[in-house]
Amino acid sequence: NAGVTQTPKFQVLKTGQSMTLQCAQDMNHEYMSWYRQDPGMGLRLIHYSVGAGITDQGEVPNGYNVSRSTTEDFPLRLLSAAPSQTSVYFCASRPNRENYEQYFGPGTRLTVT
Amino acid sequence: RKEVEQDPGPFNVPEGATVAFNCTYSNSASQSFFWYRQDCRKEPKLLMSVYSSGNEDGRFTAQLNRASQYISLLIRDSKLSDSATYLCVVNSDTGRRALTFGSGTRLQVQP
Repeated sequence: NAGVTQTPKFQVLKTGQSMTLQCAQDMNHEYMSWYRQDPGMGLRLIHYSVGAGITDQGEVPNGYNVSRSTTEDFPLRLLSAAPSQTSVYFCASRPNRENYEQYFGPGTRLTVT
Repeated sequence: RKEVEQDPGPFNVPEGATVAFNCTYSNSASQSFFWYRQDCRKEPKLLMSVYSSGNEDGRFTAQLNRASQYISLLIRDSKLSDSATYLCVVNSDTGRRALTFGSGTRLQVQP
């Protein structure tokens, strides 16, 4: 099993550009999440999904969209990048809503200039 | 007040030392507690769950104190490879079934 994979590993964007961060898992997990990690702030939940076709907002959803057309994939779209979105983005998955043992992807380091 | 609070450290300890970290949480309805380990520029990885009666995994012991709303992690016989940031994680967001992460405590084990 590859676990949770994310692409790209690094990305530099100019203000106003859009892009999609890819996330996939091969563990047949129902619950997937996107977090951002900033220095001194811990991981903050952006969006999450409890299954294919179902997504919802987390703590800091503004400026981001998600979709979940399959169990395996959970892409995160930045609509119009801003310098405040410079961060490390982690995708995570876990078996279901009740099982909190979560597995993370390797992360995407995004810089917005 | 943050939902999950940790001392950021760093804790600098010699090899072989015993070190303990505490973490406090604000939501008394929280039911699930975890410690994650994060190496520099890597993803967090689950270290251990924390059970009500306390639990041990090799050199690592986790304790939960519901009355005072804190959890602890004790590392005995520290190794150089234990150097990392330790994240306290709580399911304080019971509506979303989401996890809330502390900012982490950095441990540096020195030879």
